[in-house]
Amino acid sequence: EPEVTQTPSHQVTQMGQEVILRCVPISNHLYFYWYRQILGQKVEFLVSFYNNEISEKSEIFDDQFSVERPDGSNFTLKIRSTKLEDSAMYFCASSRPGAGNTIYFGEGSWLTVV
Amino acid sequence: AQSVTQPDIHITVSEGASLELRCNYSYGATPYLFWYVQSPGQGLQLLLKYFSGDTLVQGIKGFEAEFKRSQSSFNLRKPSVHWSDAAEYFCAVGAANYGQNFVFGPGTRLSVLP
Repeated sequence: EPEVTQTPSHQVTQMGQEVILRCVPISNHLYFYWYRQILGQKVEFLVSFYNNEISEKSEIFDDQFSVERPDGSNFTLKIRSTKLEDSAMYFCASSRPGAGNTIYFGEGSWLTVV
Repeated sequence: AQSVTQPDIHITVSEGASLELRCNYSYGATPYLFWYVQSPGQGLQLLLKYFSGDTLVQGIKGFEAEFKRSQSSFNLRKPSVHWSDAAEYFCAVGAANYGQNFVFGPGTRLSVLP
């Protein structure tokens, strides 16, 4: 079964450093997402992306965050200057057109900011 | 705005006992409803989903859920719990429009006693 893949699975970075989280969505999907889950808390929406532009973003997704689809397969989340509170599990997800947008999630990337 | 509540933060059941996890949603239009399961340190796995039609939906691992519009509920059930079902369970509501983000509930942690 096709799946969303994410790299790295775990990254430790120093505060203030830039981080790029990478994702390969399911190949025939056209909508891409990033979600975040701080340890012990619920899953929160960050951003959705369609047709090479952001279609929706939450208030969490401030100027420190950016997304990009640099080629036909990858979808990246960049955090420009990490803060301690950015430590979380980041989930990439994708969905295809059609009635009912089931979103398929990757395994997540653990980001620890020290 | 759409929202999801899961009234039970933590539930403990004995192996072989039946299970019901509660989910209530608030949404202005016809919701698309989902249950995801997350094992410790893992990603989100889709258990089942409801779009339309039969209000009792079957999912993987022997789970089912019933959509009750009058009660704005989408409770998850399993007749006989296995020790491997111990995990965090998230209810989510999605919009009918393609690419709209999901809103997740806070999750219910399930513990299973031998």
